[in-house]
Amino acid sequence: QVQLQQSGPGLVKPSQTLSLTCAISGDSVSSNSALWNWIRQSPSRGLEWLGRTYYRSKWYNDYAVSVKSRITINPDTSKNQFSLQLNSVTPEDTAVYYCARDGETRTGYAFDIWGQGTMVTVSS
Amino acid sequence: DIQMTQSPSSLSALVGDRVTITCQASQDISNYLNWYQQKPGKAPKLLIYDASNLETGVPSRFSGSGSGTDFTFTISSLQPEDIATYYCQHFANLPLTFGGGTKVEIK
Repeated sequence: QVQLQQSGPGLVKPSQTLSLTCAISGDSVSSNSALWNWIRQSPSRGLEWLGRTYYRSKWYNDYAVSVKSRITINPDTSKNQFSLQLNSVTPEDTAVYYCARDGETRTGYAFDIWGQGTMVTVSS
Repeated sequence: DIQMTQSPSSLSALVGDRVTITCQASQDISNYLNWYQQKPGKAPKLLIYDASNLETGVPSRFSGSGSGTDFTFTISSLQPEDIATYYCQHFANLPLTFGGGTKVEIK
C-alpha cells in the first residue's frame, strides 16, 4: 500500500523559502512508472499543479510557468522522498500544499496517491 | 494552457437522484481526463481515470464519459456520503490543470 507523508513548517515569513518534504512508502522515488508532484490549493487559485520530478534512466523535472523562477523539486533516493522549495514567498503563496503520485493509467497518468496536505501560511 | 471549465459550480439534489457534472476543455484532449472527489479537510481522491475508467475500489454508481473537449461525470444514485466537491483534471500536456470544482450537496 503506497503512502505519502508530508512534513514541513506551516508558517513562513514573506521573502523566505517554503520547504516541504514528502516521504514515500510502498513505492520508490526512482520508479520508472511514476511521477512525483507538488500541487497546492487555495480559494483564489483552486487546485494548482506546481511541478514534478521523475526518473526515466535519468532525472527530469517539470515546473509550472507561474512558479518556474522560484521552485525546486528534488528527489532524495537515500531517504526515498522528494522535496519542494519555493523561494521568495509572498502572502499569495498561502495555500494547502499536497504531494501526489502520478501513477500510470492505460493511456497516461492520474494522481492516484496523495499526501495528507500541509497548510502553509505566509505571514510576518 | 488548457482551460478546464466545470459546470455547475454547485448543485443540490435528493438522495437517490442522478447527478451529472460537465467538464469542457479549451482544446481537444482526447480521453486524457481524470475525475476526483474531495471532502472537506481531505486530499482529493481519484475516482475516474482516462475519462471513463473506474478506479479500483470506487463504487459503480460513479461513472465518466466523453472525449475530445466535452466530458461528463455521473453519480447514478446520490448517497449521503457523496457530499463533496468534484474536480476534473486533464493530462494532455503541461501544465496539468484542474477544473474549478462542483460542490455537491443534499437537498
